[in-house]
Amino acid sequence: GAVVSQHPSWVICKSGTSVKIECRSLDFQATTMFWYRQFPKKSLMLMATSNEGSKATYEQGVEKDKFLINHASLTLSTLTVTSAHPEDSSFYICSAWTGALRTEAFFGQGTRLTVV
Amino acid sequence: GQQVMQIPQYQHVQEGEDFTTYCNSSTTLSNIQWYKQRPGGHPVFLIQLVKSGEVKKQKRLTFQFGEAKKNSSLHITATQTTDVGTYFCAGPRETSGSRLTFGEGTQLTVNP
Repeated sequence: GAVVSQHPSWVICKSGTSVKIECRSLDFQATTMFWYRQFPKKSLMLMATSNEGSKATYEQGVEKDKFLINHASLTLSTLTVTSAHPEDSSFYICSAWTGALRTEAFFGQGTRLTVV
Repeated sequence: GQQVMQIPQYQHVQEGEDFTTYCNSSTTLSNIQWYKQRPGGHPVFLIQLVKSGEVKKQKRLTFQFGEAKKNSSLHITATQTTDVGTYFCAGPRETSGSRLTFGEGTQLTVNP
């Protein structure tokens, strides 16, 4: 199966600082990656769709200036939480789409962000 | 917009009992996918159903896709402690097949 690696798995940062989360597809090229946010005991909320070489598409209500997404290559997408605040604390998960032939999502391990 | 609803939200069972979670979409789906997320882990793909009325089995797990392709179910026979986790169904969005809409999930706990 397709392997997606996400790093770091957890991070603690101070309010006002920025945090970068990486999502890599290890054994396939992902033209599209997705970033989700998950609150405790809740479902996955799609934040944005990241397309290689183009601007990300953000879901309604997600601040694009706060959650910067870069998809510079076919195997790497990054999410930067800028000027983090305690309310940004959450579990962030990426997933990669292998293409039209396989529609299932392959998820990274997730990043637990705590802003203090 | 498209909504995917799942019930129950929580289910506590004794080991050996059966378990079922139900998924309903507000729109017809081209396919339905099921994922399992263990506590502290990330969602892992279980299966995809595509055809109307399709039934697939994975050992003790039975997945069904409704005739109208708007609902689905996951049934686990004789649960084990290893079945603990949250089960999500997901369907592709009408406007973008690559984007998935996830149900709220059913959190299963199994008492040994």
